[in-house]
Amino acid sequence: DAGVTQSPTHLIKTRGQQVTLRCSPISGHKSVSWYQQVLGQGPQFIFQYYEKEERGRGNFPDRFSARQFPNYSSELNVNALLLGDSALYLCASSFILGAMTDTQYFGPGTRLTVL
Amino acid sequence: QQQVKQSPQSLIVQKGGISIINCAYENTAFDYFPWYQQFPGKGPALLIAIRPDVSEKKEGRFTISFNKSAKQFSLHIMDSQPGDSATYFCAAANPETSGSRLTFGEGTQLTVNP
Repeated sequence: DAGVTQSPTHLIKTRGQQVTLRCSPISGHKSVSWYQQVLGQGPQFIFQYYEKEERGRGNFPDRFSARQFPNYSSELNVNALLLGDSALYLCASSFILGAMTDTQYFGPGTRLTVL
Repeated sequence: QQQVKQSPQSLIVQKGGISIINCAYENTAFDYFPWYQQFPGKGPALLIAIRPDVSEKKEGRFTISFNKSAKQFSLHIMDSQPGDSATYFCAAANPETSGSRLTFGEGTQLTVNP
């Protein structure tokens, strides 16, 4: 079975540009979360979606937005890119939301470099 | 706001030795504590998890010890192998109120020498 897939793998942008990252959850999973992992640090929570609705948002500026589609795939958009947005962006999926025994599965991430 | 603190930042262990990584949390609402393993170029993968109603959980060579009163938990890797060399993250969550939102520690880079 395919795991969580993310595209693109790598991305290079310049300051001020906009970027869209994509995530396909494991088949049957309805919850998708996005995390930002700066080099040398732990992942930081950005967004959580369940059944196409935003169910949580981390401490990130409004330049960050996301959505979930009817097929449960998701996009993360970042506007007006800053150098500090350079990071590995991780998508995680789980079957349902909030179940103690429901494991979150992470994708390999999209490496974003802002020049 | 760093709610989960992890130490050490890096750890070097000889093959066959015991690796110990520690974490401390602040938010007493957390009630789910997973450990993730991350290899270079890969996303984190769940290794083992514990709830605060037990003080210890063991799965193979991996053991979580949990001290609710001290708000601390640790990962022990017995008989450490070179293949265990990776970055390890502790995390905490309250699934009932915050869904799948995980708060991660800063990570520990483990190197197991052959």
